[in-house]
Amino acid sequence: EVQLVESGGGLVKPGGSLRLSCAASGFTFSYYSMNWVRQAPGKGLQWVSSISSSSSDIYYADSVKGRFTISRDNAKNSLYLQMNSLRAEDTAVYYCARVRSGGSISHSFDYWGQGTLVTVSS
Amino acid sequence: QLVLTQSPSASASLGASVKLTCTLSSGHSSYAIAWHQQQPEKGPRYLMNLNSDGSHNKGDGIPDRFSGSSSGAERYLTISSLHSEDEADYYCQTWGTGIQVFGGGTKLTVL
Repeated sequence: EVQLVESGGGLVKPGGSLRLSCAASGFTFSYYSMNWVRQAPGKGLQWVSSISSSSSDIYYADSVKGRFTISRDNAKNSLYLQMNSLRAEDTAVYYCARVRSGGSISHSFDYWGQGTLVTVSS
Repeated sequence: QLVLTQSPSASASLGASVKLTCTLSSGHSSYAIAWHQQQPEKGPRYLMNLNSDGSHNKGDGIPDRFSGSSSGAERYLTISSLHSEDEADYYCQTWGTGIQVFGGGTKLTVL
């Protein structure tokens, strides 16, 4: 069974940093591109960042470019999101999601985690 | 610019059918999309991939009551024999090189 479990969320002050993790199991993690997607309270889904299976291709939404860094450790079956210079508008539930097509970074998402809440507030 | 447009809300009665629409922006009518369901207080769940020719591939365990179809730039999700647990938000998603796009979501109320 495919499982994605996010952790690392919490309350942080504006300008602060936080590192999210996503532990993957039930599939060969190193074969698949992965993503972070966020959802502000009461709002829709917003794509944050994508990383290919080998980390050779990485993309960011304009709203987080230069502040967030996506990475992965295939040996640990883990995905990460380092978030710096956090703003109030970054407050959201952050989900990790697997890309459906192994080997492609540009495709639909077929498995999602349950999310971890990040609150940016003084 | 790659944009997906969804109606904010829809409603239908228990046991009836409903058809949700996702519209691709001009110039992108050949794009495939995916449909996702998000029940209250839960993470999203992948329903299906839907191509421009209407062919679709459903996710694991998705009931036959869920189906997809396409017409031009419109992508549809039809849910038949509505159950109470179908009350949820439904999002469409598409992608390009280096970008992922979500529609604003449709909140489905089962009456």
